[in-house]
Amino acid sequence: EPEVTQTPSHQVTQMGQEVILRCVPISNHLYFYWYRQILGQKVEFLVSFYNNEISEKSEIFDDQFSVERPDGSNFTLKIRSTKLEDSAMYFCASRRDRGSEKLFFGSGTQLSVL
Amino acid sequence: AQTVTQSQPEMSVQEAETVTLSCTYDTSESNYYLFWYKQPPSRQMILVIRQEAYKQQNATENRFSVNFQKAAKSFSLKISDSQLGDTAMYFCAFMTGANSKLTFGKGITLSVRP
Repeated sequence: EPEVTQTPSHQVTQMGQEVILRCVPISNHLYFYWYRQILGQKVEFLVSFYNNEISEKSEIFDDQFSVERPDGSNFTLKIRSTKLEDSAMYFCASRRDRGSEKLFFGSGTQLSVL
Repeated sequence: AQTVTQSQPEMSVQEAETVTLSCTYDTSESNYYLFWYKQPPSRQMILVIRQEAYKQQNATENRFSVNFQKAAKSFSLKISDSQLGDTAMYFCAFMTGANSKLTFGKGITLSVRP
């Protein structure tokens, strides 16, 4: 079965630094998502992306966050100035099209902000 | 706004026995999808089973089945013949066609005892 790939699997950064989390969605998928999960808590929606623009974002997704699909294959999440509370597992997901309800998740990037 | 409630934080079951995990949700939408995701210690998000709200028949996938009660807005997961590999966190999730994002419950930690 095709997979969503996320890199790196672990990222450690200092508070205030910028980080970019990378994802390669499944090639023929059109909808892309970022979710995050703070350890021991539920999975929270951050943002959805379709047709090269954000289609929806949550309250968590403030001005410190941005997403980009720079080259037609990668889908990135950038956090401009990381805070301690940004420490979490970040999941990328993709979905084939509007008629398909199945999201395919990547294996996540564990971000630790020190 | 949609909400998903998983009121049991954890459950334990003996290997080979059956266990039921509860989930309720709230929505004003008439067409939607419900999911159960498994998250083992690796923290990968694995789709276990999904149900389309317009289908009255309960979904089944091998040892996993759901009891979908649309009027009661209840969506429970039954795991038959529990195996040690079923030990994981289980998340109930909801999606409407309109926004296509997943809304997760808080999850339940299931432990299967040998």
